[in-house]
Amino acid sequence: NAGVMQNPRHLVRRRGQEARLRCSPVKGHSHVYWYRQLPEEGLKFMVYLQKENIIDESGMPKERFSAEFPKEGPSILRIQQVVRGDSAAYFCASSPTTGMGEKLFFGSGTQLSVL
Amino acid sequence: KNEVEQSPQNLTAQEGEFITINCSYSVGISALHWLQQHPGGGIVSLFMLSSGKKKHGRLIATINIQEKHSSLHITASHPRDSAVYICAVEGGGSNYKLTFGKGTLLTVNP
Repeated sequence: NAGVMQNPRHLVRRRGQEARLRCSPVKGHSHVYWYRQLPEEGLKFMVYLQKENIIDESGMPKERFSAEFPKEGPSILRIQQVVRGDSAAYFCASSPTTGMGEKLFFGSGTQLSVL
Repeated sequence: KNEVEQSPQNLTAQEGEFITINCSYSVGISALHWLQQHPGGGIVSLFMLSSGKKKHGRLIATINIQEKHSSLHITASHPRDSAVYICAVEGGGSNYKLTFGKGTLLTVNP
């Protein structure tokens, strides 16, 4: 069973470009979450998605950031017009349910560097 | 808002030593997670606990709900245990809206 797959592992963008980060959850998991880890800071929740639905985007910046989890294919976190402050590690996680104490399965992350 | 504090921030040990990493949080929680993050790598969930103690191999996690404190212990530490250990707490009954500590960087020297 493959775990959570994220790609690319490293992504370099110039200011103003778009960044697209992909996440394929564990097979059979329908709940996907994105987290951001800024340098010297802890992980922070960004968004929770199910297939074709955004359930909770309370942690996502209101501008330039969007996320989707289509019926077919991976979940995508999209950052438009990237700025230096977007440089961070972005982690995706999945779980079979969202029950209290349900274990999360994390991917290896995408390290985004904005030049 | 729940604050999660970990100590120490950095820890260096010799192979074979007993390791303790501490985590304190400020408000009531439904569960606490210990995660392991290897350099340049992904994050692995080690434990989820809401009371008492759990053990897996050389790792032991304990939680004291009244004192709002948890500890992660590693017995007979090994260089391959070198990683960042992250404490995260969940409140509100869902597993994903975690509040994370900043992590403890553990280096175990041979």
